[in-house]
Amino acid sequence: QVQLQESGPRLVKSSETLSLTCTVSGGSLSTYYWSWIRQPPGKGLEWVGYIYYSGSTSYNPSLKSRVSISVDTSKNQFSLKLNSVTAADTAVYYCARQQRHLTPLFDYWGPGTLVTVSS
Amino acid sequence: QSALTQPRSVSGSPGQAVTISCTGTNNDVGDYNYVSWYQQHPGKAPKVMIHDVSERPSGVPDRFSGSKSGNTASLTISGLQAEDEADYYCCSYAGSYTWVFGGGTKLTVL
Repeated sequence: QVQLQESGPRLVKSSETLSLTCTVSGGSLSTYYWSWIRQPPGKGLEWVGYIYYSGSTSYNPSLKSRVSISVDTSKNQFSLKLNSVTAADTAVYYCARQQRHLTPLFDYWGPGTLVTVSS
Repeated sequence: QSALTQPRSVSGSPGQAVTISCTGTNNDVGDYNYVSWYQQHPGKAPKVMIHDVSERPSGVPDRFSGSKSGNTASLTISGLQAEDEADYYCCSYAGSYTWVFGGGTKLTVL
C-alpha cells in the first residue's frame, strides 16, 4: 500500500522560503507524477505543481515565479520550495500521486500539513 | 487560469439524488475529457470518486456517477447516505500540463 507523508517546518516567516518534503513508502516514484496541492483554511483546493520521476516539472502559472519542485529517487522523496511567502500562502499542503499524465487522477494523498506564514 | 465554478452548497434527504455542477471554459472542461471529482471529509485528505469524466475507481459505490456537457461537468450522487455529507471538488486539465480545481461544494444530507 502506497503511503505519502509530508514533513517540514510548520511556521515560516513572511518573505522567507517554505520548504516541504514528501516521503513515499510502499512503492517507487518511477513512472508516476507527483504533485503538491494546497488548501488555505476554510477554502478550496489549489494545484501547485508536479514533478515526474525523471525530473520534468510543471507549475501553476500563478505561482510559477516562486515555486520549485525537486525529486530524490534514492530517498523516494520529492520536495517543494515556495519563495517570498506571504500570509496568503498559509495553507494545508498535501502531496499526492498522479496516476496518469493528463487526467487529474490523484489516487494517493498524504495526510497534509498546515504551514502558517507569520509576520 | 481561474477556478472552476461550483455551487457553494447543495442538500438532499437520505435516499434522494443530488447533482453538483462544475462549470469551466473552452480551455479546460470544455476542451478535454479529463475531469475528476473528489470527496473531502473535515480534516481529511481528498478522495477521488470519479475520473475521466465518468470513470469510477474500484471501491467507489456505483451511486456516484459523472457526466459532461459542453463546459459543464456534473457529479450525481443517487441514494444519498449520511456518510456522503462532505465537501466535493471537481478538477480539470487546463492545458500546458496544468490542472485547475473548482471552488468546492458542501453537501448536506438532511
